[in-house]
Amino acid sequence: EPEVTQTPSHQVTQMGQEVILRCVPISNHLYFYWYRQILGQKVEFLVSFYNNEISEKSEIFDDQFSVERPDGSNFTLKIRSTKLEDSAMYFCASSSRGLYQPQHFGDGTRLSIL
Amino acid sequence: AQSVTQPDIHITVSEGASLELRCNYSYGATPYLFWYVQSPGQGLQLLLKYFSGDTLVQGIKGFEAEFKRSQSSFNLRKPSVHWSDAAEYFCAVGARSNDYKLSFGAGTTVTVRA
Repeated sequence: EPEVTQTPSHQVTQMGQEVILRCVPISNHLYFYWYRQILGQKVEFLVSFYNNEISEKSEIFDDQFSVERPDGSNFTLKIRSTKLEDSAMYFCASSSRGLYQPQHFGDGTRLSIL
Repeated sequence: AQSVTQPDIHITVSEGASLELRCNYSYGATPYLFWYVQSPGQGLQLLLKYFSGDTLVQGIKGFEAEFKRSQSSFNLRKPSVHWSDAAEYFCAVGARSNDYKLSFGAGTTVTVRA
């Protein structure tokens, strides 16, 4: 069964540094998402992306965050200047077109900011 | 805005016993409802989904869930739990009007004792 893959599985970064989290969605999917889960808290929506543009973003997704689909397969989340509170598990998800298609999640990238 | 409540933070159940996890949602229109499972160090795996039609939905791994509009609930059940069912379970609600973004509950951790 096709999977969403995320790299790296664990990223350790100094505060203030830029970080890029990578995702390869399922190949025929058209909707892409990023979520995050701070340790001990619920999974939170960050951003959705469709037709090469952001379709919705949460209040968490401020100017420090950006997403990009640089080619036909990758979907990236960039945090420009990381803060301690950005430490979390980041999940990428994708779904195919249509009303009744669920989101499929990757295994996540654990981001640790020092 | 949509939201999900999972009243039980932690449930312990004996192997072979039945399991029921509660989920209550808040959304003004017809919701799309999901249950995901997360094993330690893993991503979110879809167990089952409800979009419309039959209110009792079957999922993978022997799980089922029942949508009750009058109670705004979507409880997950399994008649006989296996040790491998020990994991964290998340209920989520999505809505077409919000580009299908998912709002998750806080999760219920299930421990299975021998």
